Amino acid sequence: GAVVSQHPSWVICKSGTSVKIECRSLDFQATTMFWYRQFPKQSLMLMATSNEGSKATYEQGVEKDKFLINHASLTLSTLTVTSAHPEDSSFYICSARVLATSVYRYNEQFFGPGTRLTVL
Amino acid sequence: AQKITQTQPGMFVQEKEAVTLDCTYDTSDQSYGLFWYKQPSSGEMIFLIYQGSYDEQNATEGRYSLNFQKARKSANLVISASQLWDSAMYFCAMRDPYNQGGKLIFGQGTELSVKP
Repeated sequence: GAVVSQHPSWVICKSGTSVKIECRSLDFQATTMFWYRQFPKQSLMLMATSNEGSKATYEQGVEKDKFLINHASLTLSTLTVTSAHPEDSSFYICSARVLATSVYRYNEQFFGPGTRLTVL
Repeated sequence: AQKITQTQPGMFVQEKEAVTLDCTYDTSDQSYGLFWYKQPSSGEMIFLIYQGSYDEQNATEGRYSLNFQKARKSANLVISASQLWDSAMYFCAMRDPYNQGGKLIFGQGTELSVKP
């Protein structure tokens, strides 16, 4: 399947600092990427939908000014957690949507390996 | 609004036996897609199987099959001949119609433990 990378895989930061997480599609172009948040033993909660060249669409209850999303190219989307606090500690996962082609039979989403954020 | 429900927080199965993980969904749309993902302790989401709402046959992928009962709005995952490395979290997901960007809605997940 298509490969999606995330960087960093884990990060520890002090409260009040900002952290940037990168999501890259390595062997395909992704016009749409998704950002999810997952707490331990819980499901994935969609935070926002990122479309290349346009503003992200945030889910209800997600603070736009706190979780800044930029999708500047067809292979890169970034999530910046601004002024991070301990309650922002979580597992953040991105996914990239592949349009149906002869190789991929349906509109699958390929997930990155995730980034574990710990805010002290 | 679309909703996915997985009612089994945890399941145990003996190695080499089959196991069924339940998933029910709720949608008023006629066109939708249903997915199952596996998430091992490392955290990555691994795509297992897909079923389209108009697919007449149940999807199968190796040891995975999807028992799709449209009238009952259920899409249960069947894993045959369980292996120890099948132990993981399993998530059922539904894809919103295309007019909502194709985002996935996930169920609560089922933690599967395979016993030797």
